[in-house]
Amino acid sequence: QSALTQPASVSGSPGQSITISCTGTSSDVGGHDSVSWYQQHPGKAPTLMIYDVSNRPSGISNRFSGSKSGNTASLTISGLQPEDEADYYCSSYTSSSTLVFGGGTKLTVL
Amino acid sequence: QVQLVQSGAEVKKPGTSVKVSCKASGYTFSGYYIHWVRQAPGQGLEWMGWISPNSGGTNFAQKFLGRVTMTRDTSISTAYMELSRLRSDDTAVYYCARVHGYSPGYWGQGTLVTVSS
Repeated sequence: QSALTQPASVSGSPGQSITISCTGTSSDVGGHDSVSWYQQHPGKAPTLMIYDVSNRPSGISNRFSGSKSGNTASLTISGLQPEDEADYYCSSYTSSSTLVFGGGTKLTVL
Repeated sequence: QVQLVQSGAEVKKPGTSVKVSCKASGYTFSGYYIHWVRQAPGQGLEWMGWISPNSGGTNFAQKFLGRVTMTRDTSISTAYMELSRLRSDDTAVYYCARVHGYSPGYWGQGTLVTVSS
């Protein structure tokens, strides 16, 4: 199972919006509504930000939103804040009932 | 509140095995799958497998087949991940995580496993 494809890095200024893409195949992203997104700050465990494509766990800011089209999922962060600077990972369930992660995207808030 | 507390850091020699524990609290242990994920230094997240605490059923990433074992003890709400035939590239932080929906949602604090001769 190959890793999902994410851009290595994205950047934006405070207050702006950014979008991170996550591309898979019909066996994972395209075939299941089980895409999730995680935020990870250095030295910390990941935090679930979006699950099942577009749902936010309680306590997660509505500045974070998720969507999917075909084999590509997206995470959008609006109103960028300095504390959003972190690594972001996507994941998807697969047709083999396994899980696959993306390679990760480093978000820099300029 | 959901909490997962993992065992402490380990230093192992190549060729040996390591067993990491993950004690759950704040919810019904048997009701939610536990995933194991690892992260090598400076690298991304890598999924290893999941265990159903209810049935004991497991599913592993192809890469770890034959080297990983996942078990649980429901009497003490604890899941275990054992990795054998350790190599230097198994040096990583190992996380357990309870699902939220289908995906890892509540994460343990991580356990650093260092493999070095």
